[in-house]
Amino acid sequence: DQQVKQNSPSLSVQEGRISILNCDYTNSMFDYFLWYKKYPAEGPTFLISISSIKDKNEDGRFTVFLNKSAKHLSLHIVPSQPGDSAVYFCAASLDNAGNMLTFGGGTRLMVKP
Amino acid sequence: DAGITQSPRHKVTETGTPVTLRCHQTENHRYMYWYRQDPGHGLRLIHYSYGVKDTDKGEVSDGYSVSRSKTEDFLLTLESATSSQTSVYFCATRDNNEQFFGPGTRLTVL
Repeated sequence: DQQVKQNSPSLSVQEGRISILNCDYTNSMFDYFLWYKKYPAEGPTFLISISSIKDKNEDGRFTVFLNKSAKHLSLHIVPSQPGDSAVYFCAASLDNAGNMLTFGGGTRLMVKP
Repeated sequence: DAGITQSPRHKVTETGTPVTLRCHQTENHRYMYWYRQDPGHGLRLIHYSYGVKDTDKGEVSDGYSVSRSKTEDFLLTLESATSSQTSVYFCATRDNNEQFFGPGTRLTVL
């Protein structure tokens, strides 16, 4: 049973608009959450993270929101750019050191010019 | 970029043969990880290492073994490859609370 789920396998957005990627988890013991971005034929690269003691973290165009009561986190990209087209993975860790990550299945984001 | 290389980048092998994948890092990071990526499953942890000769199992460790004789190298071995082990394998290292991933190895078991 997957403890971290990304229910939308794909998302298409127009350039300049907001992209919202969602992630749900079932284990209330997760303490640290991360988003990774992956281009074809490359390894995932770290994008942004959030600790369970926070509900929002922002880094430039990227904002991650955490709703612990709903066991839900989301990644907002504003404004979306064609170069953001990639697969996005959310991940969760039982400690705040980012050890032993549990990943969701990924969402493919396509940003159309 | 944490200076992680993986070899080989692509490999095709037959069922029942042993296979070893190599991960090499130049950053002197203590923690190293092996993941496999399959459609719909994201990345799943196979084994990880928290130091030289210190390793532990991850979520999907059956059929895999690892070794770490030097800080910079982490080897993943499939003792007898099966078709279910066809996948893309990623190595990662960790510094502070961020994991850095290698470029991946695409393994096909026929």
